[in-house]
Amino acid sequence: GESVGLHLPTLSVQEGDNSIINCAYSNSASDYFIWYKQESGKGPQFIIDIRSNMDKRQGQRVTVLLNKTVKHLSLQIAATQPGDSAVYFCAENTGGFKTIFGAGTRLFVKA
Amino acid sequence: GAGVSQTPSNKVTEKGKYVELRCDPISGHTALYWYRQSLGQGPEFLIYFQGTGAADDSGLPNDRFFAVRPEGSVSTLKIQRTERGDSAVYLCASSLSGGAGETQYFGPGTRLLVL
Repeated sequence: GESVGLHLPTLSVQEGDNSIINCAYSNSASDYFIWYKQESGKGPQFIIDIRSNMDKRQGQRVTVLLNKTVKHLSLQIAATQPGDSAVYFCAENTGGFKTIFGAGTRLFVKA
Repeated sequence: GAGVSQTPSNKVTEKGKYVELRCDPISGHTALYWYRQSLGQGPEFLIYFQGTGAADDSGLPNDRFFAVRPEGSVSTLKIQRTERGDSAVYLCASSLSGGAGETQYFGPGTRLLVL
């Protein structure tokens, strides 16, 4: 099937290692940030979100870090598994409904 | 319940033709969004519906693109006089009420190829 993001930045990690995917956002007025996972042939799937009044939020095996000073967002995946292989998008929201997506990072997990 | 569904999953058409893409949101979700995703890019916002009305259509690229949601549930994205540059994956998403910070749930997309 069609592959999303043939020319995206790529991160390759060994199964079991931790992954860190970085994202720079552009709008200092953005107050809500989301990470999405997109597998080939599927729509984006919500992973975790964070509001601008926080700098860290943890989920199951995932952690999002927000640095508003430098407008940087990161997604950390603990003990990366083959099923984590996908394209990951960060997205920002300025308080309304409109969500602006970044370009994405492709994560390859080597077994 | 069921997630967001989109039909058709794939659509091949010729330049100049008219196409309709359908989205069935999650039942009970009043907010519906259309995005377009080109190869190697993140989704780009096209239009947002709150109920039956288009609350923001600022992302529609030109007047060849139009979307409706007549009964506040199913939505149809319509593209007239298709061009090769319209080839992309068209994604639909819905959320409960469209409030700030609400999770948007995406469908699988319709892959449009204009020859």
